[in-house]
Amino acid sequence: KQEVTQIPAALSVPEGENLVLNCSFTDSAIYNLQWFRQDPGKGLTSLLLIQSSQREQTSGRLNASLDKSSGRSTLYIAASQPGDSATYLCAPGDSGNTPLVFGKGTRLSVIA
Amino acid sequence: DTAVSQTPKYLVTQMGNDKSIKCEQNLGHDTMYWYKQDSKKFLKIMFSYNNKELIINETVPNRFSPKSPDKAHLNLHINSLELGDSAVYFCASSHDTSYGYTFGSGTRLTVV
Repeated sequence: KQEVTQIPAALSVPEGENLVLNCSFTDSAIYNLQWFRQDPGKGLTSLLLIQSSQREQTSGRLNASLDKSSGRSTLYIAASQPGDSATYLCAPGDSGNTPLVFGKGTRLSVIA
Repeated sequence: DTAVSQTPKYLVTQMGNDKSIKCEQNLGHDTMYWYKQDSKKFLKIMFSYNNKELIINETVPNRFSPKSPDKAHLNLHINSLELGDSAVYFCASSHDTSYGYTFGSGTRLTVV
């Protein structure tokens, strides 16, 4: 059964810093991995989707990497801004109809 | 707007009542899900439907009954509500694991 761990659980940084959020998963037989953002009291917004054949995906200041064999993914946020403050969730996806399994997330605060 | 929409956004009700949450997606996805996010913000799968058929039913009380009239709708009916049912319930959909998941904005259920 897939288990997902995200480190750190919480992170507070000054504006402008580059930062890395870590995600590890126990079952490396995944089809893809998706990173989400959740603002307080809101739903989940998809940030990046990496297929198992890819090593990384980029969107603006966000870059996600995937090392499937070691069961790890990282989300790199460049030049952080207060608007980046949110909880970030990673979810590896299996093939077929197996639902996404989530980690507990990393709660990020970027201080102006 | 192409999206996953849930109604209502907020639901406050007394113990013992029966309530329903509706979910609709206009993305043409063939699989829909219900997730529960508890007070510790942990997201856990409850049900998964593919083309109107139940394919995943995690260990949830049988007071919870999903209903899918067509592949664009997945409603969640809850009987005899209990205090512990208070949570945020998220609907999601996917077409194919290659394309990732899209989440609704959530329904905050409070049982008093």
